[in-house]
Amino acid sequence: GDSVTQMEGPVTLSEEAFLTINCTYTATGYPSLFWYVQYPGEGLQLLLKATKADDKGSNKGFEATYRKETTSFHLEKGSVQVSDSAVYFCALLYTAGVTNTGNQFYFGTGTSLTVIP
Amino acid sequence: DSGVTQTPKHLITATGQRVTLRCSPRSGDLSVYWYQQSLDQGLQFLIQYYNGEERAKGNILERFSAQQFPDLHSELNLSSLELGDSALYFCASSVGPGFNEQYFGPGTRLTVT
Repeated sequence: GDSVTQMEGPVTLSEEAFLTINCTYTATGYPSLFWYVQYPGEGLQLLLKATKADDKGSNKGFEATYRKETTSFHLEKGSVQVSDSAVYFCALLYTAGVTNTGNQFYFGTGTSLTVIP
Repeated sequence: DSGVTQTPKHLITATGQRVTLRCSPRSGDLSVYWYQQSLDQGLQFLIQYYNGEERAKGNILERFSAQQFPDLHSELNLSSLELGDSALYFCASSVGPGFNEQYFGPGTRLTVT
């Protein structure tokens, strides 16, 4: 079935370092892909998304490109800040049909990021 | 603040008991989703309601059930609780039925002793 595999953490970076969090997926069709972020003690927030191959999602300096050939959706940021410390989840939406009935949503295991000053 | 509210914030109960978790979606959102986050299973989709009707079902146990009321708030009922049901339960909402642009609540932490 459909699934998402994320790189294991935790990841610790110094401020202004380059961030990559790997995410690969397995899907039978053409899923939509998402990155969510969870700050300590809070619910998840949508960070960015891409709905078809070669789409690039971007938000708050984060980017991810939907690559069908490598079934990947890696999250990148050029210069991380202490405030980016959080858990990042890659997610996949399987669309069952045009009526949006029976869709399924799968999360990766999450990658904890700590940015130190 | 996402605009999604969940009550209670914390719940401690014993094995075999039944609890009800409540979620109020953002104003104008018709879809409500329930998720379970545990150390063992990670973050799992349980069930979705759209405008009062069940729309999608994920890894929801038979001991669990949910409903969405005419005012669009939703309740997740967990019965015959087991230690393994201890988890953070999130509710999310969106305008449409398609899982896009979900807004998550702060969660209800359930501890089963």
